[in-house]
Amino acid sequence: EPEVTQTPSHQVTQMGQEVILRCVPISNHLYFYWYRQILGQKVEFLVSFYNNEISEKSEIFDDQFSVERPDGSNFTLKIRSTKLEDSAMYFCASSDLAGINYNEQFFGPGTRLTVL
Amino acid sequence: DAKTTQPNSMESNEEEPVHLPCNHSTISGTDYIHWYRQLPSQGPEYVIHGLTSNVNNRMASLAIAEDRKSSTLILHRATLRDAAVYYCIVTGNQFYFGTGTSLTVIP
Repeated sequence: EPEVTQTPSHQVTQMGQEVILRCVPISNHLYFYWYRQILGQKVEFLVSFYNNEISEKSEIFDDQFSVERPDGSNFTLKIRSTKLEDSAMYFCASSDLAGINYNEQFFGPGTRLTVL
Repeated sequence: DAKTTQPNSMESNEEEPVHLPCNHSTISGTDYIHWYRQLPSQGPEYVIHGLTSNVNNRMASLAIAEDRKSSTLILHRATLRDAAVYYCIVTGNQFYFGTGTSLTVIP
């Protein structure tokens, strides 16, 4: 069964450093998403991406965040200058139908980011 | 986006049905109702979604009130693997996860 994969599973970085979290969505999917979950808290939407551009973003997704689909398979989340409060589990998701109202999102296993 | 209200936690005995309620009184006419679950140390997993009519799939059933202001996720026979946090999400432009209902299944 096709699945969303994410690498690395755990990333440790120093405050102020840049990190890139990588995701490989399901191959025929067209819509891509990033979420984060701070330990013990709820899952929070960050951004959705379609047709090589951001379609929606939350207030959390400020200028230090960026997303990119550099090739036909990868979808990345970059955090330019990490802060302690960026420590969280980051989930990538993808879906195949138009509009989040109508379709199932498939989530990856997550990348745990620890900022020291 | 419509706000949802779910009980913080519920318990069920193994092999018995579980009814997980969700209130979404501010739902708009075009909003779908989605249910996801998150098993410990995993990403969220789709369970079911619907608009107006009740829905069934291999995992669960979704019963939607006639006025659409509430819905109930039904697990027909709870297993230990169903222990998870269950999220009811009413979609607008973004997927907002609430705090969900933590389901404990008792052997």
